Amino acid sequence: GAGVSQSPSNKVTEKGKDVELRCDPISGHTALYWYRQSLGQGLEFLIYFQGNSAPDKSGLPSDRFSAERTGGSVSTLTIQRTQQEDSAVYLCASSLSNGNYGYTFGSGTRLTVV
Amino acid sequence: GQQLNQSPQSMFIQEGEDVSMNCTSSSIFNTWLWYKQDPGEGPVLLIALYKAGELTSNGRLTAQFGITRKDSFLNISASIPSDVGIYFCAGFQGAQKLVFGQGTRLTINP
Repeated sequence: GAGVSQSPSNKVTEKGKDVELRCDPISGHTALYWYRQSLGQGLEFLIYFQGNSAPDKSGLPSDRFSAERTGGSVSTLTIQRTQQEDSAVYLCASSLSNGNYGYTFGSGTRLTVV
Repeated sequence: GQQLNQSPQSMFIQEGEDVSMNCTSSSIFNTWLWYKQDPGEGPVLLIALYKAGELTSNGRLTAQFGITRKDSFLNISASIPSDVGIYFCAGFQGAQKLVFGQGTRLTINP
């Protein structure tokens, strides 16, 4: 597609439920990144994919967080047993293989855990 | 990990004024990027800097990559209402991971 697409744009969930966030990267971009942005804060790195593998998942906050990418395209970020501190905007970005020209971000999914 | 420190954290200016913000790090970065984020949107790349000492302009925006490779600044001349937003500096930690500063929030009074 023309840009990075994320869905849903907003998600309200009850504490303890699982959620799945989806990212469709720009066609042809082999690298894909997930970041988290808490209210009024900067961007916190979560995980990055090169193709379908994740060379760096060091930013995942706990084992409740996982992500996968299939077909070198769509990625899903899953948060199990959500907690209130998981409330944030989750941003996805994609880039050509080396990313040196910067990433293109989607508009994010705003997750609210109540 | 490497930290990027942005200042100021927020700015309140009058329309037409020039803006200057900067970003520093205790570690060397080989690439500096400046992004702008509008409310409800993801960050958008404004300027990328690849060489120490490099000065690059994009319209009313000018950014420089410090000689020590540990700092960068962004200037906006003759601010207009659509310049409102949050400005982030970013640099690569390792080959692929982009780390971001905490942002400078720009507010413009008409």
